[in-house]
Amino acid sequence: QLVLTQSPSASASLGASVKLTCTLSSGHSSYAIAWHQHQPERGPRFLMTVNIDGTLRKGDGIPNRFSGSSSGADRYLTISSLQSEDEADYYCQTWGSGVQGVFGGGTKLTVL
Amino acid sequence: EVQLVESGGGLVKPGGSLRLSCAASGFTFSVSSINWVRQAPGKGLEWVSSIGSDIRYIFYSDAVKGRFTISRDNAKNSLYLQMNSLTVEDTAVYYCARLSGSGGFYYFDYWGQGSLVTVSS
Repeated sequence: QLVLTQSPSASASLGASVKLTCTLSSGHSSYAIAWHQHQPERGPRFLMTVNIDGTLRKGDGIPNRFSGSSSGADRYLTISSLQSEDEADYYCQTWGSGVQGVFGGGTKLTVL
Repeated sequence: EVQLVESGGGLVKPGGSLRLSCAASGFTFSVSSINWVRQAPGKGLEWVSSIGSDIRYIFYSDAVKGRFTISRDNAKNSLYLQMNSLTVEDTAVYYCARLSGSGGFYYFDYWGQGSLVTVSS
């Protein structure tokens, strides 16, 4: 079964960097994923797609502070030079042949 | 500029019905796959339904199959979600989202701002 696993929460200081992880379930380690940012009271925002080799595509206007990378079954989103507006929920997402849209549980990022 | 604007949400009693709409602009709607994704209070994002540019390709999550119907009107650049037999578990903000990708990997690259559906007696 295709499952995406994310830590429920993360925190980092203003101006620092943070690396969020999305882990693909066994047997699906070659899958690409997308990262989405969801700020309170707003619609989600597409950030980028990440495959086994790294970042494939970024969303419109996404700053260079946001980057993606991969290692095995893990897909990462790194945010550098953290700003207060980066405080949001971050979701990874992929597509399953039988299940269709699949989301991770989301990581709530707190900027200290 | 790509825009997706949902409407039609509101308060409905359990067992009732509601129809959501999503008005699209800024891209060629007729060749795009559009989806509905929802977020229940305090929960994460949950995929609900998908309709391809070819309406033979329609899919639903198990949670809504048999109760919800997705449709589109390309002449109006609009997507719809007819929701019947609603339960309190359907209470959520509903987002429409454009689907992009190929080769078996698909992802949502544009999202609407959402429409709140509350099912309560």
